[in-house]
Amino acid sequence: GNSVTQMEGPVTLSEEAFLTINCTYTATGYPSLFWYVQYPGEGLQLLLKATKADDKGSNKGFEATYRKETTSFHLEKGSVQVSDSAVYFCALSVGAQKLVFGQGTRLTINP
Amino acid sequence: DSGVTQTPKHLITATGQRVTLRCSPRSGDLSVYWYQQSLDQGLQFLIQYYNGEERAKGNILERFSAQQFPDLHSELNLSSLELGDSALYFCASSPRRISYNEQFFGPGTRLTVL
Repeated sequence: GNSVTQMEGPVTLSEEAFLTINCTYTATGYPSLFWYVQYPGEGLQLLLKATKADDKGSNKGFEATYRKETTSFHLEKGSVQVSDSAVYFCALSVGAQKLVFGQGTRLTINP
Repeated sequence: DSGVTQTPKHLITATGQRVTLRCSPRSGDLSVYWYQQSLDQGLQFLIQYYNGEERAKGNILERFSAQQFPDLHSELNLSSLELGDSALYFCASSPRRISYNEQFFGPGTRLTVL
């Protein structure tokens, strides 16, 4: 079956630090990959996506590259801000099907 | 604002009761998905509808049912509620002509069963 594994949290960083949240996947077929973010008390927002191997998704300073050879889609940001504190979910979808989510990584940024 | 609306925002009820959660997808989106978010199970897919027809089923209990109406809004019905049904329930919709299934999520309904 299809599955997503994220690095366990919580992750706590200082402002302006470099962020990496690891995500690996297992899928039958050719998945599309997503990062969603959930701010406190809110729903999920799509942060970025990549639909084929070697694609790089980017948004708001966050980046992730679809690596088929390592089945990974790690999320990175060069300099985090307090406002980036949230829960981040890696997800995949094969065709027009359901999203399969990782367990989520809670990120806290201290000033 | 994703354009997906869900009502109510909060729902508190007792065990054994029945509730209905409502979702309106983004304008033009034909697919509606329901997800459950709980502390122990994480985010789990429940069911998908496409243009009024059930398209896929996930880990949805028999006590739960859903439907999508001609105006494309969807309702998730939860009956014989148990304490373990307390969770955040999300609805999402996706565009019609897209191959990679980007989904837009509503703000969720927080259900508390006492």
